[in-house]
Amino acid sequence: ETGVTQSPTHLIKTRGQQVTLRCSSQSGHNTVSWYQQALGQGPQFIFQYYREEENGRGNFPPRFSGLQFPNYSSELNVNALELDDSALYLCASSSGAGNTEAFFGQGTRLTVV
Amino acid sequence: ELKVEQNPLFLSMQEGKNYTIYCNYSTTSDRLYWYRQDPGKSLESLFVLLSNGAVKQEGRLMASLDTKARLSTLHITAAVHDLSATYFCAVDETNFGNEKLTFGTGTRLTIIP
Repeated sequence: ETGVTQSPTHLIKTRGQQVTLRCSSQSGHNTVSWYQQALGQGPQFIFQYYREEENGRGNFPPRFSGLQFPNYSSELNVNALELDDSALYLCASSSGAGNTEAFFGQGTRLTVV
Repeated sequence: ELKVEQNPLFLSMQEGKNYTIYCNYSTTSDRLYWYRQDPGKSLESLFVLLSNGAVKQEGRLMASLDTKARLSTLHITAAVHDLSATYFCAVDETNFGNEKLTFGTGTRLTIIP
């Protein structure tokens, strides 16, 4: 158990819909990163939030957006879902203090049909 | 753009044998992480390597980092069935401990009794 929880664990959506995924970071961690892992691939960095501000973004279109709340939990929003958005979405929390590691939640499996 | 390459991509080995997984990366970084992933599960942290020459061992697994060669290795000694999983290396491209990780493609390891 890493103390990082994600919800929901599984989700099925229709192409064109919008989805919100949630992540509660580990106690004491102020940094949350989101990753997309397509089947058979390594995770790809979507973006990171540090103290409620976006702190870096990977190569994902603007329809992928996020939020971080004062308690450092975070949301990932995806608009206009496409079939290729089907993946395991992982969030990772860390203390942002350097010389630390990120701890991953159990992931949300999103299927777009 | 940071590239992280692992080889082999697939590895089938007999119990009791030794083998090494290689992770090459394309930027100067001294922060490298190894993760294990079981099918349908999240990422489990194995090792955090934070300096050139770092070597860490846990049970039958040993990881090392050569930042000058931009190479990390994960060595498996006397493999057992429980080690069957996919192994990922990941590099922190910021080198500031922000944990914005770029992952390799993964090595799917199957241990045959």
